[in-house]
Amino acid sequence: QKEVEQNSGPLSVPEGAIASLNCTYSDRGSQSFFWYRQYSGKSPELIMFIYSNGDKEDGRFTAQLNKASQYVSLLIRDSQPSDSATYLCAVNPAAGNKLTFGGGTRVLVKP
Amino acid sequence: DTGVSQNPRHKITKRGQNVTFRCDPISEHNRLYWYRQTLGQGPEFLTYFQNEAQLEKSRLLSDRFSAERPKGSFSTLEIQRTEQGDSAMYLCASSADGGGQAFFGQGTRLTVV
Repeated sequence: QKEVEQNSGPLSVPEGAIASLNCTYSDRGSQSFFWYRQYSGKSPELIMFIYSNGDKEDGRFTAQLNKASQYVSLLIRDSQPSDSATYLCAVNPAAGNKLTFGGGTRVLVKP
Repeated sequence: DTGVSQNPRHKITKRGQNVTFRCDPISEHNRLYWYRQTLGQGPEFLTYFQNEAQLEKSRLLSDRFSAERPKGSFSTLEIQRTEQGDSAMYLCASSADGGGQAFFGQGTRLTVV
């Protein structure tokens, strides 16, 4: 079992719709969770972080964390073609100080 | 520009040669990370520094890889006797104490021919 798992996609979403991305992790003691956006050929860009159970909203993005079920999700509302990218889930495990990444979910927003 | 800076952006080298990459973190960040990313995969952790101390190194990391962070400022990653399998994007990130929000540089794309 991988430490952080994501569906590789592609997730195809019509423009203006909600994109829903999921991520599960194996280390139950993980404390902090991050979503990065990565455009093709570019480096990852931090877009959201969440530390507590529940929802956290920032503009069109909402991160959701459920530690009991060991999953974190990202919602993108009013999806735009510029949101087309790979979204990486990253987890800071309990016993370390590094981020462990999932393989990423590719999102395609179609006009 | 006060972000993480990596040099060079691209490096093409012949198999068997040594290469060195440099990373300048955000100035107030004392944590520095190196990752490697290949096409279609997420970043893979290589090593981590807190100030000048190298606190963790991936078990998957070959002895051909070495990293330093003298004086807790910039860091270098050296790959000795490069192999074609070393071709990847090498990413550097930095973060401040607490929070764990890590910010990445532009990366160095290595091609071994």
